[in-house]
Amino acid sequence: NAGVMQNPRHLVRRRGQEARLRCSPMKGHSHVYWYRQLPEEGLKFMVYLQKENIIDESGMPKERFSAEFPKEGPSILRIQQVVRGDSAAYFCASSPIGQRSSGANVLTFGAGSRLTVL
Amino acid sequence: TQLLEQSPQFLSIQEGENLTVYCNSSSVFSSLQWYRQEPGEGPVLLVTVVTGGEVKKLKRLTFQFGDARKDSSLHITAAQPGDTGLYLCAGAQWTYKYIFGTGTRLKVLA
Repeated sequence: NAGVMQNPRHLVRRRGQEARLRCSPMKGHSHVYWYRQLPEEGLKFMVYLQKENIIDESGMPKERFSAEFPKEGPSILRIQQVVRGDSAAYFCASSPIGQRSSGANVLTFGAGSRLTVL
Repeated sequence: TQLLEQSPQFLSIQEGENLTVYCNSSSVFSSLQWYRQEPGEGPVLLVTVVTGGEVKKLKRLTFQFGDARKDSSLHITAAQPGDTGLYLCAGAQWTYKYIFGTGTRLKVLA
């Protein structure tokens, strides 16, 4: 009964390198959300994807960041040319349903990927 | 602009004490959730409230959604060291996107 799986759990990169973070949603979930958490802060929404579709990327920085959720395989959050300010914990969450007009969407979070940029 | 403000930011109490954590906003939310996050882990959902004035109990935890759906509180009775963690509220405004609060870091001393 695997939950949301994220890897790597810890990633160290030097400035200018690329970081790739992977997220496999829970079985049966087709909606994926990425959040970023800076030290001592809450989670900030980055992007919402369904299979092969980016639904909402309003929280993604305009440059260097991209996300995908292919038909097969995990969702990937890619950060190009990392800078020290990218150091954070990146959390992926999944849900079985997406936007609803009422009620609540239940998100299951992974354990996160902690990126450290030297 | 931070839509959800949590207070207090930090709280350190003795085992057995009661405490209340607040989540306040000037905005109306269609639903509000509370999560607990332990170091090195992702947030774990505790409860979802959707109706103004709603009260939900989960063992020693009592959650309340304000009548106007702008605020919420989490009350813990007889706190235990296992309650230690970061408590986050998150609100949605008739959409899938949850906005997270600033968090309350609770430490319960044995």
